[in-house]
Amino acid sequence: AQSVTQLDSQVPVFEEAPVELRCNYSSSVSVYLFWYVQYPNQGLQLLLKYLSGSTLVKGINGFEAEFNKSQTSFHLRKPSVHISDTAEYFCAVSVWTGGFKTIFGAGTRLFVKA
Amino acid sequence: NAGVTQTPKFQVLKTGQSMTLQCAQDMNHNSMYWYRQDPGMGLRLIYYSASEGTTDKGEVPNGYNVSRLNKREFSLRLESAAPSQTSVYFCASSEVGGNQPQHFGDGTRLSIL
Repeated sequence: AQSVTQLDSQVPVFEEAPVELRCNYSSSVSVYLFWYVQYPNQGLQLLLKYLSGSTLVKGINGFEAEFNKSQTSFHLRKPSVHISDTAEYFCAVSVWTGGFKTIFGAGTRLFVKA
Repeated sequence: NAGVTQTPKFQVLKTGQSMTLQCAQDMNHNSMYWYRQDPGMGLRLIYYSASEGTTDKGEVPNGYNVSRLNKREFSLRLESAAPSQTSVYFCASSEVGGNQPQHFGDGTRLSIL
């Protein structure tokens, strides 16, 4: 069965420090991969997506993610975070199971401290 | 361009009451979804509609019904609300295809006493 695991439920980090939010997935077939961000009292917004091609994908707000097929991972990174990056981040996988199905991870709460 | 609009934004119900959550999208998307979000559990799919006129159960459909009224609108109904249905409900829409991202509304925060 397909699954998405976000390895950290909370990540505290100081402003201007680098951050990595980890995501691993389980699937025996090809997948499409997404990262979404959710600010307080809002819905999810797309940060970036991996469909095919280059394994390093860049998204909005300076975030990037790297697809690693052998490790079935899609970790999100930012070299220098801002207070405004404080939010919850969701990794999602879209997989074909007779129709496309999207599975979301449980989320990682990023807390940026001054 | 409003995107995905959900109403109401907040609601408090008593156990046993019924209500309908409304969702409309203006992006001409074929697919629409209803999720619930609970702490530490991410988003769980309640129902989805791949296209106008079709609906299918998701991961947690018990206690809910849906109606795809037309291409723009997809409503979620709680017939007899229970405290376990206290949650934040999100509607989303997308183009058809697994490579298409979903677009979310701002949610309905529902409390059932």
